[in-house]
Amino acid sequence: GESVGLHLPTLSVQEGDNSIINCAYSNSASDYFIWYKQESGKGPQFIIDIRSNMDKRQGQRVTVLLNKTVKHLSLQIAATQPGDSAVYFCAEKWDTGRRALTFGSGTRLQVQP
Amino acid sequence: EADIYQTPRYLVIGTGKKITLECSQTMGHDKMYWYQQDPGMELHLIHYSYGVNSTEKGDLSSESTVSRIRTEHFPLTLESARPSHTSQYLCASSEWGGETQYFGPGTRLLVL
Repeated sequence: GESVGLHLPTLSVQEGDNSIINCAYSNSASDYFIWYKQESGKGPQFIIDIRSNMDKRQGQRVTVLLNKTVKHLSLQIAATQPGDSAVYFCAEKWDTGRRALTFGSGTRLQVQP
Repeated sequence: EADIYQTPRYLVIGTGKKITLECSQTMGHDKMYWYQQDPGMELHLIHYSYGVNSTEKGDLSSESTVSRIRTEHFPLTLESARPSHTSQYLCASSEWGGETQYFGPGTRLLVL
């Protein structure tokens, strides 16, 4: 399944499928991007990050892809598990001016057993 | 798992009361942040600090105030709580040279 971010805030996938969560970021000057997972009643938890001089980075079962041309970021989760059910946020850091992270609106991932 | 703590986890309080939300981290991080988040919505930065005696306002205007007297402690205070302050408040910290922010569990505030 695939999410288009703001236009589809909930993504529902079957257990074992791959998930793709998309994020359109706002500032072409952003030099750092990060994905967080937030489970109900908890604070956001770091998943993976990527710098603007890269276009792909892999972690354990997760991959982040960065397309600077269209200012698009995606998070791919392989073999999605029920424990992956959460809200996923992307965040960007601008390289000038503002020195903190700017968060997107989030996508809820629901994994069906 | 990050060592950042917030108390209380839940708070129900009447209008006009003064409240302080506590945030502490044991990682020695210089940078600390407060975010406000409504359920299922994005995080909005309301305050941040780059070290002791340094505090700045964030993107979202907030009637709250913060202080940073010690590196590990970054409390947020509301002098007179109102129902519009009902939200979740998340504290985070990061190393001086790093961008990755580590979050606490949050405080859910309900003002009646």
